[in-house]
Amino acid sequence: DTEVTQTPKHLVMGMTNKKSLKCEQHMGHRAMYWYKQKAKKPPELMFVYSYEKLSINESVPSRFSPECPNSSLLNLHLHALQPEDSALYLCASSQELARLNEQFFGPGTRLTVL
Amino acid sequence: GESVGLHLPTLSVQEGDNSIINCAYSNSASDYFIWYKQESGKGPQFIIDIRSNMDKRQGQRVTVLLNKTVKHLSLQIAATQPGDSAVYFCAETLNTGNQFYFGTGTSLTVIP
Repeated sequence: DTEVTQTPKHLVMGMTNKKSLKCEQHMGHRAMYWYKQKAKKPPELMFVYSYEKLSINESVPSRFSPECPNSSLLNLHLHALQPEDSALYLCASSQELARLNEQFFGPGTRLTVL
Repeated sequence: GESVGLHLPTLSVQEGDNSIINCAYSNSASDYFIWYKQESGKGPQFIIDIRSNMDKRQGQRVTVLLNKTVKHLSLQIAATQPGDSAVYFCAETLNTGNQFYFGTGTSLTVIP
């Protein structure tokens, strides 16, 4: 299984809602990543987990809260988002943190904040 | 009112021609570079990589060239096919993996 899955595919939420994005991989990878991608722009790194510990937080607002419950799962909890947070949220994983050339990306969750 | 948006560089090529996609990177300390392909509705997919101690690397139908003097990277696709239509991103990183940045991206359209 060489796949990163993400759910849901699409999500529409209001600014007062609380929702979560989920990411799963069963490749035994120990590094997992969250990226945000706006239309016609490159992905921007948000968070990196290495061995289930938060390794990198790229100064992301606290309304985004990552969680890594185990080595296969990565969540992104959303609360009090703004319309400008609407974007494609990509999850990725790699064997180790430094093995970026082996980074597998999921298809993303298309988020719309009303 | 005025709308401001990012202009994604575009490249259109005839099927069978060679494509060259360029990328300028910013950090002179970056020592590892990756090209990704992103098709519509999908996440980025690894194509080829190159380390800073090399100036050229070849894969299947793809070649990456690195010019560290001018901080420039290019991706050459031979005999471009319709399935190559996608947005191509370069990415730069330090070997530690602690800093990782995607370039602007180029949208490639292959004309049958």
